[in-house]
Amino acid sequence: EIVLTQSPGTLSLSPGERATLSCRASQSVSSSYLTWYQQRPGQAPRLLIYGASRRAAGIPDRFSGSGSGTDFTLTISRLEPEDFAVYYCQQYDRSPQTFGQGTKVEIK
Amino acid sequence: QITLKESGPTLVKPTQTLTLTCTFSGFSLTTSGVGVGWIRQPPGEALEWLALIQWDDDKRYSPSLKSRLTITKDTSKNQVVLIMTNMDPVDTATYYCVHSDDNSGYRFDSWGQGTLVTVSS
Repeated sequence: EIVLTQSPGTLSLSPGERATLSCRASQSVSSSYLTWYQQRPGQAPRLLIYGASRRAAGIPDRFSGSGSGTDFTLTISRLEPEDFAVYYCQQYDRSPQTFGQGTKVEIK
Repeated sequence: QITLKESGPTLVKPTQTLTLTCTFSGFSLTTSGVGVGWIRQPPGEALEWLALIQWDDDKRYSPSLKSRLTITKDTSKNQVVLIMTNMDPVDTATYYCVHSDDNSGYRFDSWGQGTLVTVSS
């Protein structure tokens, strides 16, 4: 099973700042099968990024994804109040699909 | 517009069987490449994928829970049912129904609101 390790566990930032979230895989993952989800408090997760770098429908362009192999990054260029949430990465290159443990982006 | 809604008991006793129903609209589970799955999230914890059923009735399960899970679909009712046997307090979680249409079954582009299931005597 591929283990996804997200860091940091918590990121304390102010609105307008840049957020950089990391997702490291225990084995190489095809970029085609690396996704990111956002979960706001009290809500269901929603798809943000798929194929490592492709924004899902309706996702603002301040969100971007990058990376390959074992290292992937989600970047939020300028944090808006609604971006303070938990972010999960997921791989489904190898069965079973797995999620990371999440990174919480909180208001500093 | 795709919508999914989970329904089922909010409280089950240890050793009982949980049956959850996902009722969906905005798509058909007979369309090639479409899948419906289940994901759960214990309070304050991360997401855990449980099961998936594809348009062609291909079924997949989490290896760690496979012996306890059954997933079925009723395309005439636009429903997917998840059965989990031998419930334990550690199974207390919010259970989400999810949609996928990328043919892999694992890109979850729509989510239900979730239903909290508590396992307690």
